[in-house]
Amino acid sequence: DQQVKQNSPSLSVQEGRISILNCDYTNSMFDYFLWYKKYPAEGPTFLISISSIKDKNEDGRFTVFLNKSAKHLSLHIVPSQPGDSAVYFCAASGGTGANNLFFGTGTRLTVIP
Amino acid sequence: SQTIHQWPATLVQPVGSPLSLECTVEGTSNPNLYWYRQAAGRGLQLLFYSVGIGQISSEVPQNLSASRPQDRQFILSSKKLLLSDSGFYLCAWRPGTGELFFGEGSRLTVL
Repeated sequence: DQQVKQNSPSLSVQEGRISILNCDYTNSMFDYFLWYKKYPAEGPTFLISISSIKDKNEDGRFTVFLNKSAKHLSLHIVPSQPGDSAVYFCAASGGTGANNLFFGTGTRLTVIP
Repeated sequence: SQTIHQWPATLVQPVGSPLSLECTVEGTSNPNLYWYRQAAGRGLQLLFYSVGIGQISSEVPQNLSASRPQDRQFILSSKKLLLSDSGFYLCAWRPGTGELFFGEGSRLTVL
């Protein structure tokens, strides 16, 4: 049972424009959410996180938005750069599974120069 | 600073052969340790996690096992590999709660 879902397997965006990656979750006990970036044949690297007490967190070109009522979060990258091309995973933890991080299936972002 | 290493980076094994992937963390003590697998075209699936020496929790029934013989060492094993065990295996550590830090990954191909 996939508790964290990324329904868009891929996304293409022009350089300089905004990239919006979406993520939905089903477990209302999740209270901590993260985004990771992954290049081929490498381990994922942490990008940005947000706790459930906030609805927005910003770090440079990256902003994560959390809508708890909709159980939805999104990652905005602006402006998008070719080096942002990678697979992006969202992850969540909390409740009885607080020791675990549950990941979505990933979205492959391609930024076109 | 904390570092995590896993090896080997690449492994090609025949069906039915054993497996041992090793992971060590440096610069921290009593970390939570994790094994994830990324199969082709799929997300990151949690296989095992450990909150202390000898404490292993399994998330997915399979022919893999994990052990934590020392505080900062986590081992993924199998007695007999299946074709379906092919994938990209990732070790990770976490200082309690918060973000997860991943190793470089191990590519396993079972033929």
